[in-house]
Amino acid sequence: DQQVKQNSPSLSVQEGRISILNCDYTNSMFDYFLWYKKYPAEGPTFLISISSIKDKNEDGRFTVFLNKSAKHLSLHIVPSQPGDSAVYFCAASAQGGSEKLVFGKGTKLTVNP
Amino acid sequence: NAGVMQNPRHLVRRRGQEARLRCSPMKGHSHVYWYRQLPEEGLKFMVYLQKENIIDESGMPKERFSAEFPKEGPSILRIQQVVRGDSAAYFCASSPGTVWSLHFGNGTRLTVT
Repeated sequence: DQQVKQNSPSLSVQEGRISILNCDYTNSMFDYFLWYKKYPAEGPTFLISISSIKDKNEDGRFTVFLNKSAKHLSLHIVPSQPGDSAVYFCAASAQGGSEKLVFGKGTKLTVNP
Repeated sequence: NAGVMQNPRHLVRRRGQEARLRCSPMKGHSHVYWYRQLPEEGLKFMVYLQKENIIDESGMPKERFSAEFPKEGPSILRIQQVVRGDSAAYFCASSPGTVWSLHFGNGTRLTVT
């Protein structure tokens, strides 16, 4: 039972354009969402997060949008850079002090120069 | 300021042997989490520990797997009598107190031959 789904295994965009990575979830108890970026042979690094009381959070080139009614979130990267090429994981956590993150399978982003 | 340190980076074991994976959290972090990533999968929660206590082990297989975080020294994930299906990347993460600020190590890649 996959509670966090990233349906696109890969995405390729041109440098300077927008990258949009999508994530869907099924558990309505999730109230905090995070995006992690992972390079090969390294651990995930935190990118940006959003609480369920918000619908948008922005940090530089990265913006996360949350649509609670659709149980959908997306990560926008503008403008995309070759160094953004990595695997991006969406993760979620449930209310009540749950201390575990539920991860999607990831989307491999390739930004072409 | 050293990050989360995991060793070894790569570990090869034959079926039936024991694997010991070590994790030293970031300085000042008293919460440790272990996640496992199977090929082509997202990270899956295994166990959450604080010093000398297992807080949540709901993601741990019932047999052969154990984890500890002693008062002194690193956290240890121990896999007894390894099987080929245990081959995966095992990531440790630490935080000062909440899941919102997890820092991951670079992982241990276990290969069972």
